[in-house]
Amino acid sequence: AAGVIQSPRHLIKEKRETATLKCYPIPRHDTVYWYQQGPGQDPQFLISFYEKMQSDKGSIPDRFSAQQFSDYHSELNMSSLELGDSALYFCASSPLGLGDTGELFFGEGSRLTVL
Amino acid sequence: DAKTTQPNSMESNEEEPVHLPCNHSTISGTDYIHWYRQLPSQGPEYVIHGLTSNVNNRMASLAIAEDRKSSTLILHRATLRDAAVYYCILRSYGGSQGNLIFGKGTKLSVKP
Repeated sequence: AAGVIQSPRHLIKEKRETATLKCYPIPRHDTVYWYQQGPGQDPQFLISFYEKMQSDKGSIPDRFSAQQFSDYHSELNMSSLELGDSALYFCASSPLGLGDTGELFFGEGSRLTVL
Repeated sequence: DAKTTQPNSMESNEEEPVHLPCNHSTISGTDYIHWYRQLPSQGPEYVIHGLTSNVNNRMASLAIAEDRKSSTLILHRATLRDAAVYYCILRSYGGSQGNLIFGKGTKLSVKP
């Protein structure tokens, strides 16, 4: 079965650079969530989208932005990168509009390292 | 968001049952109790969820107290592959489209 696809899986950037992470949800899932997990930390909710509209916002820095496109994939854009942005970034999807089963499906994550 | 409290860590022996407790004394009527787990270097994985009644699936069982202020995730026979951090999360189906807010989970170690 198709899962949530995240790319790239690994990314190395310098401070003050920009980075873009992509997330392709499971087909027919209309909701996407982004999470950040620092070393030894629990996943922190950043932002979510439902039917291409932002539905909720968590602890996402102002330097970050995200959007969901017409094909339901989502991109997380990070600018002016700081050392503290080094983390695993997880994307999850769910079929909220089609009847919520209560389950979020997570991708394998994108590991961002800022040097 | 209503919060949950879990032990930092627990140990189990392989092939023995494991009971992972969770307290959620401020749970509201619209909060579902969700359990996710995260294996090392992987994304979180759904385990089970429930509202009021006990629930069973192929992975685990969820026992919910009558007053809903606590719950217990039961792994009937722990395997080495069950070693993970287990998160108990309250998820409302109200206005926030069901975001999961992770707290401090329980790190389960399984000994052979």
